[in-house]
Amino acid sequence: GAGVSQSPSNKVTEKGKDVELRCDPISGHTALYWYRQSLGQGLEFLIYFQGNSAPDKSGLPSDRFSAERTGGSVSTLTIQRTQQEDSAVYLCASSLWPGLAGFYNEQFFGPGTRLTVL
Amino acid sequence: KQEVTQIPAALSVPEGENLVLNCSFTDSAIYNLQWFRQDPGKGLTSLLLIQSSQREQTSGRLNASLDKSSGRSTLYIAASQPGDSATYLCAVFNNFNKFYFGSGTKLNVKP
Repeated sequence: GAGVSQSPSNKVTEKGKDVELRCDPISGHTALYWYRQSLGQGLEFLIYFQGNSAPDKSGLPSDRFSAERTGGSVSTLTIQRTQQEDSAVYLCASSLWPGLAGFYNEQFFGPGTRLTVL
Repeated sequence: KQEVTQIPAALSVPEGENLVLNCSFTDSAIYNLQWFRQDPGKGLTSLLLIQSSQREQTSGRLNASLDKSSGRSTLYIAASQPGDSATYLCAVFNNFNKFYFGSGTKLNVKP
């Protein structure tokens, strides 16, 4: 079906507010990843979900960041008490999970959500 | 921690030239390596995926090679076109279920 979708495409918020970013992965993809790309920087891994396993949160920059994935499909990335340094493009990707040796885990990316914290 | 480096950071070539983009990584314990292109204001598009057991992959005018032991990959673009202008990113997927991205090579193909 359709590719990975993300919403909103753009979000402008005031410092201190909470924001929620949504990702709809490709149907049937069990692995879901969140990244962010700050201006002039490379892509930074944030968090990864695989099926019903506990997510790998090792990339989250602070405890203001959290993510959940409901029903093994849609994911929401929540940033509490946003700071200006949170301004970035947040990208979501999904992939099949190989089970063995990395096969089939080609990642497919959504268009991203551009977050601006004033 | 895995570090991924891409050289050059930017490249400008005339249309029709063949070119090579380089990617190096510090930890050879990878599952695979993936090349992406990123167009301004858009998400990433997957170009080629090379599994750790493979040496190269080809798609149209693109050829990617992988030398895992030396921690290197190259992306070869034949007969470049203005439509190839984009930022090219390489990413390695390591054995701890993480992707590490390089900072990209910004390619400009002049008509």
